[in-house]
Amino acid sequence: GQQLNQSPQSMFIQEGEDVSMNCTSSSIFNTWLWYKQDPGEGPVLLIALYKAGELTSNGRLTAQFGITRKDSFLNISASIPSDVGIYFCAGPAETNAGGTSYGKLTFGQGTILTVHP
Amino acid sequence: KAGVTQTPRYLIKTRGQQVTLSCSPISGHRSVSWYQQTPGQGLQFLFEYFSETQRNKGNFPGRFSGRQFSNSRSEMNVSTLELGDSALYLCASSVSGTEYGYTFGSGTRLTVV
Repeated sequence: GQQLNQSPQSMFIQEGEDVSMNCTSSSIFNTWLWYKQDPGEGPVLLIALYKAGELTSNGRLTAQFGITRKDSFLNISASIPSDVGIYFCAGPAETNAGGTSYGKLTFGQGTILTVHP
Repeated sequence: KAGVTQTPRYLIKTRGQQVTLSCSPISGHRSVSWYQQTPGQGLQFLFEYFSETQRNKGNFPGRFSGRQFSNSRSEMNVSTLELGDSALYLCASSVSGTEYGYTFGSGTRLTVV
């Protein structure tokens, strides 16, 4: 089935540094989503991308939908301690009939971000 | 506006027992999806309900079941619990299930001993 490969698996950075992480797939996605999960909580949607080539920002976060539709990137600028958490990329799962996959997202393995003050 | 509410937050059950978890979606959201999150397998889709009908199902054994009520609230049930069922169970809601930017609840942490 579909798989999303996220890299890096973990990052240790100093406060104020910029962060980049990416997500790749062997199959095409028509929507890319980036979520952040804090310990003991559910994932929170950060950015949604719906069009190849799209570049979208949400505060210090910027995400891009790759032209090939097989990858996406998330950048965090000027990191702060509260950026700590697990970042997941996700996309709608494919269906055998090529129809809508209701409710089903395929998630990457996550990137664990640690920010040292 | 209230978010997605899951109850209980924590549960400890014994192997062989059954458990029921509850999810109240955001008001106006009619699609509810359930996910299992474990360190080894990550986030895996269980099933999705819309207007009391299951529209999609993941690759889990029949011990995992769910339902949705007319007010869109949903429950999932796991029967004959196994140690490997220990996980964080998350539910997510959206208006129709096709917008994909689902809103997740905080989850129910289930521990099977």
